[in-house]
Amino acid sequence: EAQVTQNPRYLITVTGKKLTVTCSQNMNHEYMSWYRQDPGLGLRQIYYSMNVEVTDKGDVPEGYKVSRKEKRNFPLILESPSPNQTSLYFCASSFSLAGVNTQYFGPGTRLTVL
Amino acid sequence: AQSVTQLDSHVSVSEGTPVLLRCNYSSSYSPSLFWYVQHPNKGLQLLLKYTSAATLVKGINGFEAEFKKSETSFHLTKPSAHMSDAAEYFCVVSPGGYNKLIFGAGTRLAVHP
Repeated sequence: EAQVTQNPRYLITVTGKKLTVTCSQNMNHEYMSWYRQDPGLGLRQIYYSMNVEVTDKGDVPEGYKVSRKEKRNFPLILESPSPNQTSLYFCASSFSLAGVNTQYFGPGTRLTVL
Repeated sequence: AQSVTQLDSHVSVSEGTPVLLRCNYSSSYSPSLFWYVQHPNKGLQLLLKYTSAATLVKGINGFEAEFKKSETSFHLTKPSAHMSDAAEYFCVVSPGGYNKLIFGAGTRLAVHP
């Protein structure tokens, strides 16, 4: 089954404790992206990757890191989480240009930083 | 600058009545436009997309949207609401040739018996 998976689905952590949210897709997509969803703001792009070893900042990259060492995986790293990073996070992938290709979204990761 | 405005944060309808969710966009380029739906505690699912073909786009579950360039609108409609349509709906614009999606703030649709 074609899908985007994220782990963990729920995470409660404390300020400053490094964490990684994994994202994996099985559709051989080149383009992957991370979004955060906050009430009243819709989804905002954090980082995206056009292909292996090619990443770039989205609209709200501060406090986040990403890597793309393999085509299927695109982990999101919070080196020192803060309470303002409490949010719902979505990973997405598509074949190439996001504008013309449908993005497929993962189920989301709800992160709470205390 | 590109932007999306969803004109209603909440819409409430009775089951069996029409649904209208309004979306206006701003784009310097010929945009692609999407509607996504998010059911409670679920990920986002594509309802439909417009990519410069027919201006009336039909999607899944009986939804459709009409691209009106003169009004810069892409409103989502459905003739008859079902209880299962209760969800949050996002209008999304992607400026032509640019690798980015810009989301509206969302419209929460409630359907009452």
